[in-house]
Amino acid sequence: SYVLTQPPSVSVAPGQTARITCGGNNIGSKSVHWYQQKPGQAPVLVVYDDSDRPSGIPERFSGSNSGNTATLTISRVEAGDEADYYCQVWDSSSDRLFGGGTKLTVL
Amino acid sequence: QLQLQESGPGLVKPSETLSLTCTVSGGSISSSSYYWGWIRQPPGKGLEWIGSIYYSGSTYYNPSLKSRVTISVDTSKNQFSLKLSSVTAADTAVYYCARHVPGDWYFDLWGRGTLVTVSS
Repeated sequence: SYVLTQPPSVSVAPGQTARITCGGNNIGSKSVHWYQQKPGQAPVLVVYDDSDRPSGIPERFSGSNSGNTATLTISRVEAGDEADYYCQVWDSSSDRLFGGGTKLTVL
Repeated sequence: QLQLQESGPGLVKPSETLSLTCTVSGGSISSSSYYWGWIRQPPGKGLEWIGSIYYSGSTYYNPSLKSRVTISVDTSKNQFSLKLSSVTAADTAVYYCARHVPGDWYFDLWGRGTLVTVSS
């Protein structure tokens, strides 16, 4: 099955830029989607198709995807961005659509 | 505004069948080209896709769960349902229903989730 690898945690100071990676074999050939999940809440789609944002998601959230790594970038990080972030691709033959998740801590 | 709401028993005994329903409000489950999916999250762990269904009944299942999973749709009630058989404690999780966008296959709308505990 296709495996997505995320760092367990990323820490960043307020106002700085956070980069959360998602690694996979030739992931650049796939569309990658990102979700934000705050404690006790359902996930929220923040980036789809590598770099598109749903309506209502701040421009501070952006994505890129090339080679073996996709990246979610959060600019000018705020305390409210503290959450778990998951990457996701589609492979109907795989039992793992989602990465393991990254906990973003705002220092 | 489209909303999804999960419902069903919060406690299921080991070896029995877990049954959940997702009710879609604010729009018709069959009026657009979306799939409708189930995702679960064990306490303190990550997200696991269970399967997805089109209003016509076409389904995709997670290969690791396929032998135990049935997802069905009732367009007259604007609902879709999940059945997971022979449950064990490992099936204890928050279960989410979500709208699954075909093509690039992302989940753009989610229900709030419902906790199902497997215990005797």
